Amino acid sequence: KQEVTQIPAALSVPEGENLVLNCSFTDSAIYNLQWFRQDPGKGLTSLLLIQSSQREQTSGRLNASLDKSSGRSTLYIAASQPGDSATYLCAVRRYSTLTFGKGTMLLVSP
Amino acid sequence: DTEVTQTPKHLVMGMTNKKSLKCEQHMGHRAMYWYKQKAKKPPELMFVYSYEKLSINESVPSRFSPECPNSSLLNLHLHALQPEDSALYLCASSQDLGGRLFFGSGTQLSVL
Repeated sequence: KQEVTQIPAALSVPEGENLVLNCSFTDSAIYNLQWFRQDPGKGLTSLLLIQSSQREQTSGRLNASLDKSSGRSTLYIAASQPGDSATYLCAVRRYSTLTFGKGTMLLVSP
Repeated sequence: DTEVTQTPKHLVMGMTNKKSLKCEQHMGHRAMYWYKQKAKKPPELMFVYSYEKLSINESVPSRFSPECPNSSLLNLHLHALQPEDSALYLCASSQDLGGRLFFGSGTQLSVL
């Protein structure tokens, strides 16, 4: 059974810092990996999707990498802003099943 | 349009009520999903529809009944719910079963 772990569970940084969120998974036979952002009481916003054949994807200040063989992904956020404060979830896909990590709660203070 | 629309945004119901949650997407996606999320937990898969047919039912109690009337709409019918069913119910869609998921903003359900 696939297990997804996200470290750290919570992170507090001052505005402007670059930061890295980590995601690891136990079964490397995945189709893709997706990073989401969730604000309290809201739905999930898709940030980046990396196919199993890809190594990284970039969108604006966000960069996600994937090392499938070692079962790891990282989400890099450059020049963090207070508006980046949210919970970040990674999810790995195999067939029709998407397995989520428990998320990293990020707080960026002004 | 990359939007998944869910209604209502909030719902309060008694244990004897019957209500329905609605979800709509116009992205031409052929896979649609219902997830349940409790506070500070990740979403849990409930149902998956592919090409309007139920593909996965994650052993969800029969008091939750999904329906996919057409390729753009997904409903979740609720009947005789329990207080522990109170949660955020999320709808999602993807181009196909392996594709990128797009989520709606959810329905916050409270069962009294």
